[in-house]
Amino acid sequence: SYEVTQPPSVSVSPGQTASITCSGDKLGDRYACWYQQKPGQSPVLVIYQDNKRPSWIPERFSGSNSGNTATLTISGTQAMDEADYYCQAWDSSNVLFGGGTKLTVL
Amino acid sequence: EVQLVESGGVVVHPGGSLRLSCAASGFTFDDYAMHWVRQAPGKGLEWVSLISWDGSSTKYVASVKGRFTISRDNSKNSLYLQMNSLRTEDTALYYCVKPGYCSGGSCYYYFDSWGQGTLVTVSS
Repeated sequence: SYEVTQPPSVSVSPGQTASITCSGDKLGDRYACWYQQKPGQSPVLVIYQDNKRPSWIPERFSGSNSGNTATLTISGTQAMDEADYYCQAWDSSNVLFGGGTKLTVL
Repeated sequence: EVQLVESGGVVVHPGGSLRLSCAASGFTFDDYAMHWVRQAPGKGLEWVSLISWDGSSTKYVASVKGRFTISRDNSKNSLYLQMNSLRTEDTALYYCVKPGYCSGGSCYYYFDSWGQGTLVTVSS
C-alpha cells in the first residue's frame, strides 16, 4: 500500500528557514498538502495543492512537490511556528497522512 | 463561518458499539463529500472514511472496513459514523472534516475545516 514518510523531528533557530520533507513513491504525481497542529488544538491547513497557501496563513509558509518528495518551508521561523506538521496526499481512492514532524524552534 | 461539531464519543467496552455525529453549518453541506479522520492519544492523524455528497459512495481505511459505517443526512446537515465491534486500537479523537473544494461531485481532498473532535475510548 502507498505510504508517505516524514522525519520525526526538525529543529530550527528563530529567524532561520525550516524545511520539512514528505517522501513517497512518485509523490510529485499526486497533490500534497500540509497541516499544522499545536497541542490541544485541531489541525490547521497551511499548504494545499502542493504550493497554495490559504488566506489565513502567513507568507513565510511555502510548499513544493516534485519527484518523490514534497517539502514544507517556513522562512523566518518564529516561536509560534513550533508545532507538529503533517503532510497528506490523496488520489481518487485514498487519503494518506504522513506520521508527522515535530518542529522545535530553539 | 464553517462549523463542524462532533458528538457521541464516550468510554465503551471492547466489542461494543457507538454512533458519532457531526453537525455542519456555514456551507452548503450537500455540495461536499465528507470525511472522518482520527488521532490516537499522542499519535498522528489517520484517515478513516469518506462519503460522497449524496451518500452513494463510501470508502474506509482497511482497519475499520466491515466494522464502521459512514452515513449522512443532508436534510439535517449531519454526518455520522456507526462504529461496531470496537477494539482498543480504535481509541482516538475522531474529527469530522470538510474538503477544501468540491464541484460537480468531484473533490480535492485537502481539508480546510476541522471540528474540535470527539473522544472515543475503548477499554475494559
